[in-house]
Amino acid sequence: ETGVTQTPRHLVMGMTNKKSLKCEQHLGHNAMYWYKQSAKKPLELMFVYSLEERVENNSVPSRFSPECPNSSHLFLHLHTLQPEDSALYLCASSKTDRDPGELFFGEGSRLTVL
Amino acid sequence: AQSVTQPDIHITVSEGASLELRCNYSYGATPYLFWYVQSPGQGLQLLLKYFSGDTLVQGIKGFEAEFKRSQSSFNLRKPSVHWSDAAEYFCAIKLTFGQGTILTVHP
Repeated sequence: ETGVTQTPRHLVMGMTNKKSLKCEQHLGHNAMYWYKQSAKKPLELMFVYSLEERVENNSVPSRFSPECPNSSHLFLHLHTLQPEDSALYLCASSKTDRDPGELFFGEGSRLTVL
Repeated sequence: AQSVTQPDIHITVSEGASLELRCNYSYGATPYLFWYVQSPGQGLQLLLKYFSGDTLVQGIKGFEAEFKRSQSSFNLRKPSVHWSDAAEYFCAIKLTFGQGTILTVHP
């Protein structure tokens, strides 16, 4: 099994749809992250979870709603998105969130909002 | 707050030529520094990291990087580039990433 798995790999949704992105890590890590990758911009850290508790939320609009039911799974619920939300959403994990060391990334979910 | 700057958005080199990708950082203490590589349609993969000790660190795929505290830099180097090195490269401090440098390799 790969370390960090993201589904779906591609998602097209309308502005009124509700969808979810899923991330699963098989590395026994305690911290998980959502990043947004847009063209010509640095990776934007969206959310940080440590031991299933959210420890950081970098001013992300409420139309993005994360959920971490256990240390192996992380979701990003999407609702009423805007076209500018189209991007590659990357999930990552690390052993801890304090001095996290190396991040292990999934392959990303490519989101297109029409 | 920490920040990372990669001055070069796009670099083109010939196969077999040497490579240096620049990274400058701003951080108050000794930083944890990383270089990641991203191939098209893929996530990021760690190339190498610096936490402490020897300032010249070796990574995978023949890459190395040198930490220079006086210059706040952590430049990535490779003596001879292969066509398969074409990708986007990211420098990072902890959870903060630079803008990335796209590397194109000409045959």
